[in-house]
Amino acid sequence: GQQVMQIPQYQHVQEGEDFTTYCNSSTTLSNIQWYKQRPGGHPVFLIQLVKSGEVKKQKRLTFQFGEAKKNSSLHITATQTTDVGTYFCAGPSGNKLVFGAGTILRVKS
Amino acid sequence: DAGVTQSPTHLIKTRGQQVTLRCSPKSGHDTVSWYQQALGQGPQFIFQYYEEEERQRGNFPDRFSGHQFPNYSSELNVNALLLGDSALYLCASSPTWVRNTEAFFGQGTRLTVV
Repeated sequence: GQQVMQIPQYQHVQEGEDFTTYCNSSTTLSNIQWYKQRPGGHPVFLIQLVKSGEVKKQKRLTFQFGEAKKNSSLHITATQTTDVGTYFCAGPSGNKLVFGAGTILRVKS
Repeated sequence: DAGVTQSPTHLIKTRGQQVTLRCSPKSGHDTVSWYQQALGQGPQFIFQYYEEEERQRGNFPDRFSGHQFPNYSSELNVNALLLGDSALYLCASSPTWVRNTEAFFGQGTRLTVV
């Protein structure tokens, strides 16, 4: 079945540094979604990318969808302590979402 | 407008027991999906309910069953609990008329099996 992989598993950055997480799917995706889960919380939707090569920005967050629609990335510029959490990518498979294992982001102030 | 609500928030059960978790979807949503999130992992799809029927099922044993009521709320039942069933159980709702849309998650039920 479809698999979604994320790297790195974990990243610890100094406040103000940049952060990037990468997502790869074993199959071509109709869209890719990104979620953020704060420690002790639940996944919260950030964004959905649909078009090949699409780039979307939300303030300091930049999301990209690969040309082949099999990979994606999330880049955070100048991290802040509020960015702490786990970032998941997810791709649809039928009626379900297949999630990656997530990248845990820790920010040192 | 209430979002997705789940109950209870925390639960401790003994191995072999049965448990029922509940979910009320976001207003206007008619589709409910259940996910299991083990510690350090991403959510894993259990099943999805629409029009009171199971529409799709993930790779979970028959010990996991569900139900959807006419008001779109849903229950997840797990029989013969195993230690490995300890996890955060998440309910997500969405409107069925919008395909491949974002999932709205509840705060989850943290189940501990001892």
